[in-house]
Amino acid sequence: GAVVSQHPSWVICKSGTSVKIECRSLDFQATTMFWYRQFPKQSLMLMATSNEGSKATYEQGVEKDKFLINHASLTLSTLTVTSAHPEDSSFYICSARDGYTFGSGTRLTVV
Amino acid sequence: AQRVTQPEKLLSVFKGAPVELKCNYSYSGSPELFWYVQYSRQRLQLLLRHISRESIKGFTADLNKGETSFHLKKPFAQEEDSAMYYCALSGAAGNKLTFGGGTRVLVKP
Repeated sequence: GAVVSQHPSWVICKSGTSVKIECRSLDFQATTMFWYRQFPKQSLMLMATSNEGSKATYEQGVEKDKFLINHASLTLSTLTVTSAHPEDSSFYICSARDGYTFGSGTRLTVV
Repeated sequence: AQRVTQPEKLLSVFKGAPVELKCNYSYSGSPELFWYVQYSRQRLQLLLRHISRESIKGFTADLNKGETSFHLKKPFAQEEDSAMYYCALSGAAGNKLTFGGGTRVLVKP
């Protein structure tokens, strides 16, 4: 079946640095991918829709300059958390294939 | 605006007992409803979607447009059903999902 690979599975970074998270569709092409955020013991909240070859569409309240999304190919979307702060610590999850197949998530801890 | 509500944060049942997870939604158009399951330390997995009208792992869910509900049911819970369950809605805007708060199911032996 369809597989979405997300890397890294966890990352720890210092405040002020930037972190890149990759989301790959392994056996299919994805013109659209979605990025979600999940705080501990809370549900998933959509952050943005990543569109291959064009700008991402961000949900209300999500800072586009802080969460940079690049979807340069049909199998790869990246989310870069810029100038990370401790409040950015969260679980980030991507989805693809019509939005119904999810990656395994990336746990980001900013210290 | 679209919204999904799962009123129960935790459901604890004994093995073999029926289990029902409630999900209510708010959406002005014709939604597509899903149930996802997340087992411990695993990724989110699609359990079922209302347009498929399938029964997966013994679970069923019926979309009730009058009551705007999509409750998940299983007549005989198993220990391996212990997991986090999320109800989700997709509207017209290209397959992005709105999730409910999730219900943790604990099936006791």
